[in-house]
Amino acid sequence: DSGVTQTPKHLITATGQRVTLRCSPRSGDLSVYWYQQSLDQGLQFLIQYYNGEERAKGNILERFSAQQFPDLHSELNLSSLELGDSALYFCASSSRTGVYEQYFGPGTRLTVT
Amino acid sequence: QKEVEQDPGPLSVPEGAIVSLNCTYSNSAFQYFMWYRQYSRKGPELLMYTYSSGNKEDGRFTAQVDKSSKYISLFIRDSQPSDSATYLCAMSRTGNNRKLIWGLGTSLAVNP
Repeated sequence: DSGVTQTPKHLITATGQRVTLRCSPRSGDLSVYWYQQSLDQGLQFLIQYYNGEERAKGNILERFSAQQFPDLHSELNLSSLELGDSALYFCASSSRTGVYEQYFGPGTRLTVT
Repeated sequence: QKEVEQDPGPLSVPEGAIVSLNCTYSNSAFQYFMWYRQYSRKGPELLMYTYSSGNKEDGRFTAQVDKSSKYISLFIRDSQPSDSATYLCAMSRTGNNRKLIWGLGTSLAVNP
């Protein structure tokens, strides 16, 4: 158990809808990273927050947004969902910004029908 | 061309075999090299990391980096069925925003 929690575990929704994925980092970790994993694209970095501030952006679509709250939990919002957004979404945390030792949560499996 | 290339396999070996997993990369600015292991339906977990070139050993696992060839390897000795997983390489530059660039992962099955 990495200490990172993610909810929900599974999510099934229809195209055009909006969903929110939630992540709680390990106790004491200030950095949160969001990733998307699909079979053909592998693990894609979406966005990083450090202590409430956005620190780095990856291949995140404009339809997606994220934030980190004062209690350090983070939410990833996905809107106008398309079939191609079906994937595993992972949250990871680390104790400092920009470090390689990231601890991953169990992921949220999103299915868009 | 992707920055990091990794053969997705699958790779199937008998128990006790030596396994070699590899990644190539194109960006010479990469300085940190990581190997993560991902079991089915779980998040990746860090196995090993190396900085710049050289070898690093941890139990049955050895990580090698050859920066001149832009090639990294993970060797698993005396492989066990519990090693069956997907192995992902990841790399980053130095500096404040060390965004990880990931390989696609190699699926490994160790057969008893």
